[in-house]
Amino acid sequence: EDQVTQSPEALRLQEGESSSLNCSYTVSGLRGLFWYRQDPGKGPEFLFTLYSAGEEKEKERLKATLTKKESFLHITAPKPEDSATYLCAVQLNQAGTALIFGKGTTLSVSS
Amino acid sequence: GEEVAQTPKHLVRGEGQKAKLYCAPIKGHSYVFWYQQVLKNEFKFLISFQNENVFDETGMPKERFSAKCLPNSPCSLEIQATKLEDSAVYFCASSQSGQGRQYFGPGTRLTVT
Repeated sequence: EDQVTQSPEALRLQEGESSSLNCSYTVSGLRGLFWYRQDPGKGPEFLFTLYSAGEEKEKERLKATLTKKESFLHITAPKPEDSATYLCAVQLNQAGTALIFGKGTTLSVSS
Repeated sequence: GEEVAQTPKHLVRGEGQKAKLYCAPIKGHSYVFWYQQVLKNEFKFLISFQNENVFDETGMPKERFSAKCLPNSPCSLEIQATKLEDSAVYFCASSQSGQGRQYFGPGTRLTVT
């Protein structure tokens, strides 16, 4: 069965305290892995797509990496405005297939 | 426009009543997806469309759920005879080619009382 598991479920950081979120996946054929950010009461906001092992993408304080079994979202020197739920999702190797989501990591950054 | 629009923002129905949700995908996007988010973070895929054709409906509870995407009209998701367990946030997403990034709307929160 295709599965996406995120850890930890929740993470509390002090402002400036760097950390990483994990997304491990077991799928029959990976087309792409996606990271989204979701704020309370809003829809998921796209962050990154990764397609092949070894690929890395960066945006401001966020950096996403991909291996054959997992992806990491590294957060460097986070700020309170980075507080949100971070969702990992995979798309299987067929055009038009739906995303399979993990349950997310809820990040709280305090000043 | 460059945003997926969903209406209404919030919908309250008594158990057994009908609920209808609407989604306007980004212009030029060929694929539309409906997801149900329950228990805060769990996303469940319901159905997808390629233009006006159903592409994948493996997630749909077929007895009470139906959906359409007709030309020149918003897509719709309809729930006949709602149940308490249908209470959730329903998200619509669109994608240009069916591969890659999906753009999500703000969601419709359905509360069944």
